[in-house]
Amino acid sequence: GAVVSQHPSWVICKSGTSVKIECRSLDFQATTMFWYRQFPKQSLMLMATSNEGSKATYEQGVEKDKFLINHASLTLSTLTVTSAHPEDSSFYICSARPGTSPSTDTQYFGPGTRLTVL
Amino acid sequence: SQQGEEDPQALSIQEGENATMNCSYKTSINNLQWYRQNSGRGLVHLILIRSNEREKHSGRLRVTLDTSKKSSSLLITASRAADTASYFCATDVGGSYIPTFGRGTSLIVHP
Repeated sequence: GAVVSQHPSWVICKSGTSVKIECRSLDFQATTMFWYRQFPKQSLMLMATSNEGSKATYEQGVEKDKFLINHASLTLSTLTVTSAHPEDSSFYICSARPGTSPSTDTQYFGPGTRLTVL
Repeated sequence: SQQGEEDPQALSIQEGENATMNCSYKTSINNLQWYRQNSGRGLVHLILIRSNEREKHSGRLRVTLDTSKKSSSLLITASRAADTASYFCATDVGGSYIPTFGRGTSLIVHP
Protein backbone atom coordinates (compact mmCIF):
# COMPACT_ATOMS: atom_id res chain seq x y z
CA GLY A 1 0.00 0.00 0.00
CA ALA A 2 0.89 3.66 -0.20
CA VAL A 3 3.51 4.83 2.28
CA VAL A 4 4.05 8.26 3.75
CA SER A 5 7.13 8.98 5.82
CA GLN A 6 7.96 11.79 8.18
CA HIS A 7 11.30 13.00 9.39
CA PRO A 8 12.28 13.35 12.12
CA SER A 9 10.22 11.00 14.28
CA TRP A 10 10.82 13.19 17.28
CA VAL A 11 12.67 16.37 18.05
CA ILE A 12 13.50 18.29 21.19
CA CYS A 13 14.52 21.89 20.78
CA LYS A 14 15.05 25.05 22.77
CA SER A 15 12.49 27.81 22.85
CA GLY A 16 13.04 30.31 20.07
CA THR A 17 14.53 27.92 17.54
CA SER A 18 12.91 26.82 14.31
CA VAL A 19 12.16 23.22 13.48
CA LYS A 20 11.54 21.72 10.06
CA ILE A 21 9.50 18.55 9.60
CA GLU A 22 9.48 16.69 6.30
CA CYS A 23 6.67 14.64 4.87
CA ARG A 24 7.30 12.38 1.89
CA SER A 25 5.08 10.15 -0.19
CA LEU A 26 7.34 7.23 -1.01
CA ASP A 27 5.55 5.36 -3.77
CA PHE A 28 3.01 7.76 -5.18
CA GLN A 29 2.67 11.36 -6.21
CA ALA A 30 0.69 13.44 -3.80
CA THR A 31 -1.26 16.24 -5.38
CA THR A 32 -2.43 17.37 -1.98
CA MET A 33 -0.83 17.09 1.43
CA PHE A 34 -2.31 17.93 4.79
CA TRP A 35 -0.78 18.87 8.12
CA TYR A 36 -2.47 18.05 11.41
CA ARG A 37 -1.51 18.52 15.02
CA GLN A 38 -2.68 16.36 17.86
CA PHE A 39 -2.52 17.01 21.59
CA PRO A 40 -2.48 14.07 24.01
CA LYS A 41 -5.73 12.14 24.00
CA GLN A 42 -7.24 14.65 21.61
CA SER A 43 -8.46 14.62 18.06
CA LEU A 44 -6.39 15.50 15.03
CA MET A 45 -6.84 19.14 14.13
CA LEU A 46 -6.25 20.14 10.55
CA MET A 47 -3.73 22.96 10.33
CA ALA A 48 -3.38 23.46 6.61
CA THR A 49 -3.83 21.97 3.18
CA SER A 50 -1.16 22.30 0.55
CA ASN A 51 -1.23 21.62 -3.16
CA GLU A 52 1.99 21.15 -5.04
CA GLY A 53 3.31 24.40 -6.43
CA SER A 54 0.81 26.68 -4.74
CA LYS A 55 0.43 28.39 -1.40
CA ALA A 56 -0.99 26.45 1.50
CA THR A 57 -4.50 27.06 2.74
CA TYR A 58 -4.50 27.50 6.49
CA GLU A 59 -7.36 26.71 8.83
CA GLN A 60 -8.83 29.45 10.94
CA GLY A 61 -6.69 30.22 13.95
CA VAL A 62 -3.47 28.78 12.50
CA GLU A 63 -0.76 31.39 12.05
CA LYS A 64 0.74 31.07 8.59
CA ASP A 65 3.85 33.02 9.60
CA LYS A 66 4.36 30.67 12.52
CA PHE A 67 3.82 27.43 10.63
CA LEU A 68 5.48 27.70 7.24
CA ILE A 69 4.44 25.07 4.73
CA ASN A 70 6.22 24.35 1.49
CA HIS A 71 5.01 21.78 -1.04
CA ALA A 72 7.74 22.05 -3.61
CA SER A 73 7.28 18.70 -5.30
CA LEU A 74 4.69 15.98 -5.69
CA THR A 75 6.43 13.84 -3.10
CA LEU A 76 7.62 16.31 -0.48
CA SER A 77 6.01 18.82 1.84
CA THR A 78 7.71 20.55 4.75
CA LEU A 79 6.34 22.20 7.85
CA THR A 80 8.61 24.66 9.63
CA VAL A 81 7.65 25.74 13.11
CA THR A 82 9.32 29.11 13.45
CA SER A 83 10.50 30.49 16.78
CA ALA A 84 9.04 27.51 18.58
CA HIS A 85 7.69 27.87 22.10
CA PRO A 86 6.61 25.27 24.67
CA GLU A 87 2.97 25.65 23.65
CA ASP A 88 3.93 24.42 20.18
CA SER A 89 4.88 21.06 21.67
CA SER A 90 2.61 18.55 20.05
CA PHE A 91 2.37 15.57 17.73
CA TYR A 92 2.42 16.70 14.11
CA ILE A 93 1.03 14.35 11.49
CA CYS A 94 1.03 14.79 7.76
CA SER A 95 -1.09 13.00 5.22
CA ALA A 96 -0.99 12.77 1.47
CA ARG A 97 -3.66 12.21 -1.12
CA PRO A 98 -2.76 10.90 -4.53
CA GLY A 99 -4.32 11.78 -7.82
CA THR A 100 -6.90 14.33 -8.68
CA SER A 101 -10.06 12.59 -7.55
CA PRO A 102 -10.57 13.71 -3.95
CA SER A 103 -13.96 12.06 -3.86
CA THR A 104 -12.41 8.62 -4.26
CA ASP A 105 -8.78 8.98 -3.20
CA THR A 106 -7.79 7.85 0.26
CA GLN A 107 -5.56 9.93 2.48
CA TYR A 108 -2.47 8.16 3.69
CA PHE A 109 -0.98 9.27 6.95
CA GLY A 110 2.60 9.55 8.05
CA PRO A 111 3.80 8.15 11.37
CA GLY A 112 3.91 11.56 13.00
CA THR A 113 6.60 13.76 14.53
CA ARG A 114 6.72 14.43 18.26
CA LEU A 115 7.91 17.98 18.91
CA THR A 116 8.96 19.00 22.40
CA VAL A 117 10.00 22.59 22.97
CA LEU A 118 11.87 23.24 26.19
CA SER B 1 -16.49 22.68 11.32
CA GLN B 2 -17.96 19.27 10.74
CA GLN B 3 -16.78 16.78 13.30
CA GLY B 4 -17.73 13.27 14.22
CA GLU B 5 -18.04 12.37 17.85
CA GLU B 6 -17.17 8.87 18.95
CA ASP B 7 -18.86 6.99 21.71
CA PRO B 8 -17.78 5.59 24.09
CA GLN B 9 -14.64 7.58 24.87
CA ALA B 10 -12.99 4.48 26.25
CA LEU B 11 -13.77 0.78 26.08
CA SER B 12 -12.13 -2.12 27.88
CA ILE B 13 -12.92 -5.71 26.90
CA GLN B 14 -11.48 -9.21 27.04
CA GLU B 15 -9.85 -10.91 24.12
CA GLY B 16 -12.38 -12.73 22.00
CA GLU B 17 -15.21 -10.34 22.74
CA ASN B 18 -16.67 -7.99 20.19
CA ALA B 19 -16.06 -4.24 20.37
CA THR B 20 -18.54 -1.70 19.07
CA MET B 21 -17.79 1.98 18.67
CA ASN B 22 -20.20 4.61 17.48
CA CYS B 23 -19.76 7.88 15.66
CA SER B 24 -22.31 10.65 15.32
CA TYR B 25 -22.04 13.69 13.09
CA LYS B 26 -23.99 16.86 12.50
CA THR B 27 -24.51 17.54 8.80
CA SER B 28 -24.76 15.58 5.57
CA ILE B 29 -21.51 13.97 4.50
CA ASN B 30 -19.80 12.67 1.39
CA ASN B 31 -17.91 9.89 3.09
CA LEU B 32 -17.17 8.57 6.55
CA GLN B 33 -13.90 6.88 7.34
CA TRP B 34 -12.58 4.94 10.29
CA TYR B 35 -8.95 5.09 11.30
CA ARG B 36 -6.86 3.36 13.92
CA GLN B 37 -3.99 4.92 15.84
CA ASN B 38 -1.60 3.07 18.09
CA SER B 39 -0.22 5.13 20.94
CA GLY B 40 2.12 7.84 19.67
CA ARG B 41 1.93 6.64 16.09
CA GLY B 42 0.36 7.72 12.84
CA LEU B 43 -3.06 6.78 11.57
CA VAL B 44 -3.94 3.64 9.70
CA HIS B 45 -6.92 3.80 7.36
CA LEU B 46 -9.43 1.03 8.07
CA ILE B 47 -12.56 1.54 6.03
CA LEU B 48 -14.23 4.25 3.94
CA ILE B 49 -18.00 4.14 3.59
CA ARG B 50 -19.80 6.45 1.23
CA SER B 51 -23.02 8.25 2.00
CA ASN B 52 -25.00 5.96 -0.31
CA GLU B 53 -23.67 2.81 1.35
CA ARG B 54 -25.11 1.18 4.43
CA GLU B 55 -22.62 -1.47 5.39
CA LYS B 56 -19.07 -2.54 4.59
CA HIS B 57 -16.89 -5.37 5.77
CA SER B 58 -13.15 -5.85 5.94
CA GLY B 59 -11.91 -8.95 7.70
CA ARG B 60 -13.05 -8.72 11.32
CA LEU B 61 -14.29 -5.17 10.83
CA ARG B 62 -17.87 -4.23 10.05
CA VAL B 63 -18.95 -0.65 9.51
CA THR B 64 -22.51 0.53 9.23
CA LEU B 65 -23.82 3.94 8.24
CA ASP B 66 -27.25 5.35 9.00
CA THR B 67 -27.55 8.70 7.28
CA SER B 68 -31.03 9.28 8.68
CA LYS B 69 -29.60 9.16 12.18
CA LYS B 70 -26.28 10.69 11.12
CA SER B 71 -24.39 7.91 12.79
CA SER B 72 -21.97 5.11 12.04
CA SER B 73 -20.71 2.15 13.98
CA LEU B 74 -17.51 0.15 13.85
CA LEU B 75 -17.68 -3.44 15.02
CA ILE B 76 -14.54 -5.44 15.66
CA THR B 77 -15.36 -9.11 16.07
CA ALA B 78 -13.32 -11.62 18.05
CA SER B 79 -11.03 -8.91 19.34
CA ARG B 80 -7.34 -9.48 19.98
CA ALA B 81 -4.90 -7.78 22.31
CA ALA B 82 -3.25 -6.32 19.20
CA ASP B 83 -6.47 -4.41 18.48
CA THR B 84 -5.67 -2.16 21.44
CA ALA B 85 -5.54 1.34 19.97
CA SER B 86 -7.54 4.52 19.51
CA TYR B 87 -10.16 4.50 16.81
CA PHE B 88 -11.28 7.66 15.05
CA CYS B 89 -14.07 8.41 12.67
CA ALA B 90 -13.60 11.16 10.13
CA THR B 91 -16.24 12.79 7.98
CA ASP B 92 -15.88 14.96 4.94
CA VAL B 93 -18.38 17.36 3.46
CA GLY B 94 -18.53 19.62 0.45
CA GLY B 95 -16.23 19.66 -2.51
CA SER B 96 -12.92 19.52 -0.68
CA TYR B 97 -13.36 15.98 0.67
CA ILE B 98 -11.07 16.85 3.57
CA PRO B 99 -11.88 14.63 6.55
CA THR B 100 -12.30 16.11 10.00
CA PHE B 101 -11.83 13.90 13.00
CA GLY B 102 -13.67 13.13 16.20
CA ARG B 103 -11.94 12.69 19.55
CA GLY B 104 -11.68 8.95 19.19
CA THR B 105 -12.48 5.87 21.23
CA SER B 106 -9.68 4.33 23.22
CA LEU B 107 -10.00 0.55 23.04
CA ILE B 108 -8.13 -1.76 25.39
CA VAL B 109 -8.32 -5.49 24.77
CA HIS B 110 -7.07 -7.56 27.68
CA PRO B 111 -5.39 -10.87 26.82
